[in-house]
Amino acid sequence: GNSVTQMEGPVTLSEEAFLTINCTYTATGYPSLFWYVQYPGEGLQLLLKATKADDKGSNKGFEATYRKETTSFHLEKGSVQVSDSAVYFCALSAGGTSYGKLTFGQGTILTVHP
Amino acid sequence: NAGVTQTPKFQVLKTGQSMTLQCAQDMNHEYMSWYRQDPGMGLRLIHYSVGAGITDQGEVPNGYNVSRSTTEDFPLRLLSAAPSQTSVYFCASVGQVAGELFFGEGSRLTVL
Repeated sequence: GNSVTQMEGPVTLSEEAFLTINCTYTATGYPSLFWYVQYPGEGLQLLLKATKADDKGSNKGFEATYRKETTSFHLEKGSVQVSDSAVYFCALSAGGTSYGKLTFGQGTILTVHP
Repeated sequence: NAGVTQTPKFQVLKTGQSMTLQCAQDMNHEYMSWYRQDPGMGLRLIHYSVGAGITDQGEVPNGYNVSRSTTEDFPLRLLSAAPSQTSVYFCASVGQVAGELFFGEGSRLTVL
C-alpha cells in the first residue's frame, strides 16, 4: 500500500535559520504530493503541492520538489520566522478514484525561537 | 465564508456511550471525509463519501458509522465509545483540485 515517512521531530530553530523537513513516500503509479500545515488549535491547511515528477511546489517562501528517482518531497525554507511554528504533514494522493483520499506522514513539529 | 464547520470542539464520554460529531460544509463539495489524528501517527482516514447517499470505509472504520443524506452534512457516529477512540477528529471536504482538502478545526474527544 501507500505510505509516507517524515523525519522525526520536533525541530527547533532560531529565526532566519534554514529549514529542511525530509519526506519520502512509497506508492504505485504516479501520486500527487502535498505539504499541509497545522497551526496551534486549527485544522490542517494546504501549504503546497506537486502533481508530477520534477514539479516544484511553492508558497509563503516554502518549496518542495517532486523527485521520483528518490521518491522524495522534502520541504525547505531559506529563512524561517516565529510565525512558521506549526506541525507540518507530508501527504500523497494516489489519484483516480482515490482523488480525495490522502495518506499522511506522522507530522513534524517545528518550533522557531526569536 | 464558513467553509467546514465541526461541532462540538470538545467532548468527554464514558466508555459505552454513543455520540455524533457533526460536520457541515457550505462549498458545495461532493467529496467529504473524516480523519482521526493521533500523536506520532499523522491522520488516518475513517470514512469518506463521494456524494449524497454514498459512503465507504477508510483505513480505520471500526466503531464508527456515517451517513450522507445531503451534500452539506456528513455526521460521524460513535456507536459505543472506547478509550481507544480518544483522539482529535477532523472533517474535510475536497475541492476541484485532487488532494486539496479543506479541513474543519477539529473535535477533541476523550473517552474515559
